[in-house]
Amino acid sequence: NAGVTQTPKFQVLKTGQSMTLQCAQDMNHEYMSWYRQDPGMGLRLIHYSVGAGITDQGEVPNGYNVSRSTTEDFPLRLLSAAPSQTSVYFCASWPGQLNTEAFFGQGTRLTVV
Amino acid sequence: KQEVTQIPAALSVPEGENLVLNCSFTDSAIYNLQWFRQDPGKGLTSLLLIQSSQREQTSGRLNASLDKSSGRSTLYIAASQPGDSATYLCALKKITGGGNKLTFGTGTQLKVEL
Repeated sequence: NAGVTQTPKFQVLKTGQSMTLQCAQDMNHEYMSWYRQDPGMGLRLIHYSVGAGITDQGEVPNGYNVSRSTTEDFPLRLLSAAPSQTSVYFCASWPGQLNTEAFFGQGTRLTVV
Repeated sequence: KQEVTQIPAALSVPEGENLVLNCSFTDSAIYNLQWFRQDPGKGLTSLLLIQSSQREQTSGRLNASLDKSSGRSTLYIAASQPGDSATYLCALKKITGGGNKLTFGTGTQLKVEL
């Protein structure tokens, strides 16, 4: 099983460039989320989705956009990259039932110079 | 707002020791708690999931407990091995207005030395 797949694994951007981080899951999970992980800060929620067509903001949404046109895919867009967005990004998914396990992708390491 | 604290932030032990990692949280209205392992430069691997109605879960040398009333969970690792060296994260799932969300602690970095 592929589980949660993130692409790319590594990316270097120049300040002001835009890009999309891809996340796909093949488990038919309703919930999908994007987190960023920074040293000493833990994982912080950027955006999340409770199903196709439904998205909402997390703790640190500024500078990021998301959409959820299908159950499987939840891309994260950086419209104008800033050095403060240098981080490791993780995508997660889990089923709609409450007492279920969350699954994570392998992460995308993004550097903005 | 849910606050999740993991103490200690880092821990170094000799091989073979039994050890306990702690996770404290401020809001006891949770649905489950999940422990993850993260190796350097890698993603998160789920270790154990404890439902809110459960007191503990076991998997091999790992045992996780949950005490909602005191806002604490512990991860017990028996007979530690160098391969256990990693960062361990706890995450709590709670219902919010827009669905249910995971809130993470900052992790405990474990090093098991030969």
